[in-house]
Amino acid sequence: SQTIHQWPATLVQPVGSPLSLECTVEGTSNPNLYWYRQAAGRGLQLLFYSVGIGQISSEVPQNLSASRPQDRQFILSSKKLLLSDSGFYLCAWSNGQDNSPLHFGNGTRLTVT
Amino acid sequence: GQNIDQPTEMTATEGAIVQINCTYQTSGFNGLFWYQQHAGEAPTFLSYNVLDGLEEKGRFSSFLSRSKGYSYLLLKELQMKDSASYLCAPGRGGYNKLIFGAGTRLAVHP
Repeated sequence: SQTIHQWPATLVQPVGSPLSLECTVEGTSNPNLYWYRQAAGRGLQLLFYSVGIGQISSEVPQNLSASRPQDRQFILSSKKLLLSDSGFYLCAWSNGQDNSPLHFGNGTRLTVT
Repeated sequence: GQNIDQPTEMTATEGAIVQINCTYQTSGFNGLFWYQQHAGEAPTFLSYNVLDGLEEKGRFSSFLSRSKGYSYLLLKELQMKDSASYLCAPGRGGYNKLIFGAGTRLAVHP
């Protein structure tokens, strides 16, 4: 069966520091991968998605970037965090078909201080 | 553009039935997903509709009307563990890009 791992679970970082969140998927090949962010009391906002190694599409221009160095690895990064980057970051995968749901990792709660 | 409208909060009694409505506007619509999200946790998949009509899955059912841009999630025989947020998510375009509403926070009380 497929599993998705995301770490760390929680993170507290000062403004201006770098960020790296990692997500890996097991049990499937060539998945679509996604990064979402959920601000407190808000809906999930799609940040990036990827349909293959090295292929990244950005949905919302902001202080973040994403990379997919391997088929089942997806990384979210920032060079300098802003206070507004605080939130609940969720990685997800799907098999790419229209009727395929997204399956989410457990998420990373990021607090920028 | 995309727009999703759900009630912010609902309350219901254990054992009862509750219907959570969702209206949406999105380009390239290719189906609608419902997710459950307990506080502090990741969303989990509940149901998917692509054709008009009702899909039943145990205590949960979901309905879709594509022409009206309308869906609802029906929860029967409510249990305390059903207290959570329920997220309506229309898919758009290709690549399974789901757009999520802010969700409906359901509180089930004895």
